[in-house]
Amino acid sequence: GNSVTQMEGPVTLSEEAFLTINCTYTATGYPSLFWYVQYPGEGLQLLLKATKADDKGSNKGFEATYRKETTSFHLEKGSVQVSDSAVYFCALSGSSQGGSEKLVFGKGTKLTVNP
Amino acid sequence: EAGVTQSPTHLIKTRGQQATLRCSPISGHTSVYWYQQALGLGLQFLLWYDEGEERNRGNFPPRFSGRQFPNYSSELNVNALELEDSALYLCASSLGYEQFFGPGTRLTVL
Repeated sequence: GNSVTQMEGPVTLSEEAFLTINCTYTATGYPSLFWYVQYPGEGLQLLLKATKADDKGSNKGFEATYRKETTSFHLEKGSVQVSDSAVYFCALSGSSQGGSEKLVFGKGTKLTVNP
Repeated sequence: EAGVTQSPTHLIKTRGQQATLRCSPISGHTSVYWYQQALGLGLQFLLWYDEGEERNRGNFPPRFSGRQFPNYSSELNVNALELEDSALYLCASSLGYEQFFGPGTRLTVL
């Protein structure tokens, strides 16, 4: 079945540091890939997405590129802020061809950014 | 546009009782998903409803059940509560492949 392996945390960085959170996946076909963020005490918010190979998703300074050859979707940000402190989840959906599919999540990576 | 809403925000029950959680999807969305986020277990898929029908369920016992109403809102019912059912229950809605999440219901079983 489909699965997502995500870099274990926690990750602690200083403000303005570079962030990478690794994510690799196993899936049949052509999944859609997502990064979700969960701030303390809240639900999940979609951060960015990519639906086909070589697509780059970006939002709020975060980026991730869908790499089919390495089955990866690593999250990066050039300069993190204290407000980026949250838990980040990599996820995949089994189909990008319309038609809803359940999301399969990685275990989450807790990021703490210190001033 | 209103997002996905869930009620109640918090729910405290004792072992053996039943819990009912509710979800209202974004207007126009026909699919509703339920996920459990238990401490140490990550996010696990529970149920998927679309157009009033159960389309898929995760690896959970039958005491987890639900339904979707004609207005696409949904209920999740958990019978015979056990301590390990304590978790944040998240509802999501979608019209296609992108899912939008509600704030969750925190269920505590004592």
